[in-house]
Amino acid sequence: EADIYQTPRYLVIGTGKKITLECSQTMGHDKMYWYQQDPGMELHLIHYSYGVNSTEKGDLSSESTVSRIRTEHFPLTLESARPSHTSQYLCASRQGGDYGYTFGSGTRLTVV
Amino acid sequence: GDSVTQMEGPVTLSEEAFLTINCTYTATGYPSLFWYVQYPGEGLQLLLKATKADDKGSNKGFEATYRKETTSFHLEKGSVQVSDSAVYFCALSPNSGNTPLVFGKGTRLSVIA
Repeated sequence: EADIYQTPRYLVIGTGKKITLECSQTMGHDKMYWYQQDPGMELHLIHYSYGVNSTEKGDLSSESTVSRIRTEHFPLTLESARPSHTSQYLCASRQGGDYGYTFGSGTRLTVV
Repeated sequence: GDSVTQMEGPVTLSEEAFLTINCTYTATGYPSLFWYVQYPGEGLQLLLKATKADDKGSNKGFEATYRKETTSFHLEKGSVQVSDSAVYFCALSPNSGNTPLVFGKGTRLSVIA
């Protein structure tokens, strides 16, 4: 049973639309992350958070924003969707240093 | 900065063959090391980990040993099955423990019956 949930699972949306991808975890983890996974499989860090009211930019953050108002919730917003945003988006959380990530099942976004 | 290099795929093996996926890393201090697996249409799952030199992580028949002298963490399995077909990612957690994991680019494994 997944402890980290991403919705929607699949999304097809038109160019220029504003969208929010949801991510919630029930494990009480302070650290949360968003990754974009390209078709070649490589993971690109978009944003991360160390806890409530903390957000940091990753390598690929310029066209999106995040918020962390509650420990369990870390939504990702694309202000204006473009075809180049077509990708899989993975959310993850983490307990601490020696522990790895727990990943959600991902949101597959298609921008037409 | 810290980095992970893993062998490029795709790797195609027959069922019951021996698997090795190479992973080497560059990092300061003593990182923790991880292997993740991603099955089609899913997120990544932690497969195994090792937190200090000479530790061996193991799970589901897969093993990897943390070799500090060669900065490596190669993934091995003695006899692969069709159900092992997936993408495998090597990753490290930098010494501080607070910065994000550093991932390799992934290796796609296909096992044929």
